[in-house]
Amino acid sequence: AQSVAQPEDQVNVAEGNPLTVKCTYSVSGNPYLFWYVQYPNRGLQFLLKYITGDNLVKGSYGFEAEFNKSQTSFHLKKPSALVSDSALYFCAVRDMSTSGTYKYIFGTGTRLKVLA
Amino acid sequence: NAGVMQNPRHLVRRRGQEARLRCSPMKGHSHVYWYRQLPEEGLKFMVYLQKENIIDESGMPKERFSAEFPKEGPSILRIQQVVRGDSAAYFCASSLAGAHTDTQYFGPGTRLTVL
Repeated sequence: AQSVAQPEDQVNVAEGNPLTVKCTYSVSGNPYLFWYVQYPNRGLQFLLKYITGDNLVKGSYGFEAEFNKSQTSFHLKKPSALVSDSALYFCAVRDMSTSGTYKYIFGTGTRLKVLA
Repeated sequence: NAGVMQNPRHLVRRRGQEARLRCSPMKGHSHVYWYRQLPEEGLKFMVYLQKENIIDESGMPKERFSAEFPKEGPSILRIQQVVRGDSAAYFCASSLAGAHTDTQYFGPGTRLTVL
């Protein structure tokens, strides 16, 4: 079965510094990976996805993610953090069940706190 | 272009009552997914529907929970005889098609509180 792991419950970073939120995956076959952000009492907002192609994927709000097949990782990055980036970040993998549907399997989330 | 709409945003029910959660997908989307988020946890898949069809309900509890996506109108997630453990945020997502490359877009969620 497909799965993702987010090893850090919380990441603290100073404003202006680069940030990394980690995600590792376990899949059979080709991985389809996604990052979403959740602000308090809001739904999930799509940031970016990796389907195929370049290992460096660029997304919304200046975020990017690097797909690393040898390390089975898909870490989310941003060169310069903003206080407004403080939120809960979820990594997800597309799972294909025996019925052929493509539900998401989510990680447990990483809370990012950007300090002014 | 309106995104995924969910209502109500907040729902309070007493134990034993019924809860009905509604989801209107993005315009042009015909695939709907329901997820549940318990406090301090990630989202867990519940059910995947297309118009008038349940495609995958492998994440739905066997009892008290049901979902539909009629030809006209929103998708409905129905919870009968709610218990305190049903308190959670329920998110709906939609996609254009069911292809493996499709992105799912999420609604703002319905936060259910069972007293």
